[in-house]
Amino acid sequence: AQSVTQLGSHVSVSEGALVLLRCNYSSSVPPYLFWYVQYPNQGLQLLLKYTTGATLVKGINGFEAEFKKSETSFHLTKPSAHMSDAAEYFCAVSGNTGTASKLTFGTGTRLQVTL
Amino acid sequence: DAGVIQSPRHEVTEMGQEVTLRCKPISGHNSLFWYRQTMMRGLELLIYFNNNVPIDDSGMPEDRFSAKMPNASFSTLKIQPSEPRDSAVYFCASKSGGVDTQYFGPGTRLTVL
Repeated sequence: AQSVTQLGSHVSVSEGALVLLRCNYSSSVPPYLFWYVQYPNQGLQLLLKYTTGATLVKGINGFEAEFKKSETSFHLTKPSAHMSDAAEYFCAVSGNTGTASKLTFGTGTRLQVTL
Repeated sequence: DAGVIQSPRHEVTEMGQEVTLRCKPISGHNSLFWYRQTMMRGLELLIYFNNNVPIDDSGMPEDRFSAKMPNASFSTLKIQPSEPRDSAVYFCASKSGGVDTQYFGPGTRLTVL
């Protein structure tokens, strides 16, 4: 069984400030981890994913996330926020077995970027 | 590629009416997922298919909901009869085999009056 906890349903940062969105997971098998972004009135699109290998993963729009097994975390960061980053962000986990091919999503974090 | 296509984009109906939502997955993808998103419950997986076969429908809320995938390029989610609490955005997503990225459609916003 897998689960995801996203700490903070709303995060507000100033433009140019560091973005940190927190995600902790629980998984009975080695996890595959994903971050998706949802802009208003749109579907979800992939930001980045961790499967195997390097634990620091770089994604689109300057975002990156680090898989830390000891902390069961996969936090999303961006060094400098831009107004266009305002959106809802979802962390998700999937087991790496063929039968567990579905994603379990967190409840989402809404990012607000202010001037 | 056109991406995942969903229709209609918006649907307004009256309580008791039948509603059919449609999805065309990305060509070559063999897994298809139906999700529902609401403010109260967030993003919920309703059902998913592998190679047109339903694998897990434990998220389907009740017998009023049904989903079919008659071929690799088309799926429907039907609600009959619809109720106001079914109002939500319904997303379809598809992916290729194994643990791979799910690609989401733009969603259908359903309002049941």
